[in-house]
Amino acid sequence: DAKTTQPTSMDCAEGRAANLPCNHSTISGNEYVYWYRQIHSQGPQYIIHGLKNNETNEMASLIITEDRKSSTLILPHATLRDTAVYYCIAQNRDDKIIFGKGTRLHILP
Amino acid sequence: NAGVMQNPRHLVRRRGQEARLRCSPMKGHSHVYWYRQLPEEGLKFMVYLQKENIIDESGMPKERFSAEFPKEGPSILRIQQVVRGDSAAYFCASSVGTGSFTAFFGQGTRLTVV
Repeated sequence: DAKTTQPTSMDCAEGRAANLPCNHSTISGNEYVYWYRQIHSQGPQYIIHGLKNNETNEMASLIITEDRKSSTLILPHATLRDTAVYYCIAQNRDDKIIFGKGTRLHILP
Repeated sequence: NAGVMQNPRHLVRRRGQEARLRCSPMKGHSHVYWYRQLPEEGLKFMVYLQKENIIDESGMPKERFSAEFPKEGPSILRIQQVVRGDSAAYFCASSVGTGSFTAFFGQGTRLTVV
């Protein structure tokens, strides 16, 4: 699986868009970019995934650069409940998830 | 459609006892994954199972830990002769399987060894 690099922590004001970056410069052609988050003490929650194209769902948007070496998860209107650790993972669809350290996102009131 | 169900949510065991953690995957899911999270640490992969088959157990400790996913019933993570260092949150996830790794996680079992 391709290794990903994320900032250790980020702050975002409530109501603003939270943009979480992820570098995956060694990603291979058949590896997807997945995002999960873990709210304190809860089980991880799937957010979104993509291969090449940008993706959007009810939770977030995923922007993948054309060379696929990096991506950004966008939470359009962050709320206090979005405070969590966010994990960016690059992997084959048939494989297990290997979690890194993630980004600890603090939403500030 | 119920999500991934784990029980018990909290489990207390004395050193040397056995711990059995159960995981019922989402309906229609045939793949199960177990992860361990020590206090203030990240999620560590333990084992990946299909029905009646272990696919990948590269993250399982060599001794005292075992996992199964029988044809009928929940997946079981079994820890024999527990020690204090086994105290952690154990999370189970399930997915449809081949061709799709959108995994859904349970709320975890918090094991405390006293």
